[in-house]
Amino acid sequence: NAGVTQTPKFQVLKTGQSMTLQCAQDMNHNSMYWYRQDPGMGLRLIYYSASEGTTDKGEVPNGYNVSRLNKREFSLRLESAAPSQTSVYFCASSEASGRGLNEQFFGPGTRLTVL
Amino acid sequence: AQSVAQPEDQVNVAEGNPLTVKCTYSVSGNPYLFWYVQYPNRGLQFLLKYITGDNLVKGSYGFEAEFNKSQTSFHLKKPSALVSDSALYFCAVVPYGQNFVFGPGTRLSVLP
Repeated sequence: NAGVTQTPKFQVLKTGQSMTLQCAQDMNHNSMYWYRQDPGMGLRLIYYSASEGTTDKGEVPNGYNVSRLNKREFSLRLESAAPSQTSVYFCASSEASGRGLNEQFFGPGTRLTVL
Repeated sequence: AQSVAQPEDQVNVAEGNPLTVKCTYSVSGNPYLFWYVQYPNRGLQFLLKYITGDNLVKGSYGFEAEFNKSQTSFHLKKPSALVSDSALYFCAVVPYGQNFVFGPGTRLSVLP
């Protein structure tokens, strides 16, 4: 059981470049999430997918798009990277969203630097 | 607005001493409450949660947390700290039917 996996682990982009962060989970969870972590700000939700086929905006969605490819995979795309998107990105999954009964399981993170 | 405060950026404690990491929240209704730990260059790991029932919740690695409804607090505690407990700790609240709201994190340093 790998849990939640993310690729790549590190990435450096130039302003204006695009990239996709990949996330996969093998726990058969329905819900998946993308967060960004910035110093002193905790984790902020970018987008989430309550179930396969649905996606919704979180607290800080501007500049990002997501795709729930299937039940296992949830990708995050930066179409035109900006220095403000320099951050550590975490993917998470849980059995269900919107109820709070289920803890979220986190991937190891992607450290992104935009120059 | 829903918010979570962790009033201390950093907590230092000597190994063997008890530790407390504080969390207070401001949300409507009766939220669910969680603690997570993050070791360097790793994702967050679940420690414990409060849903309902006994105000004292026991979790992984000897940690426990006390829910206090009147003070809207959910402080994390451990009777005897270990050097290996040094990490970043996050409190999170989940208003009913909504997503997680994380606090800013508290860095715990346990000194040998």
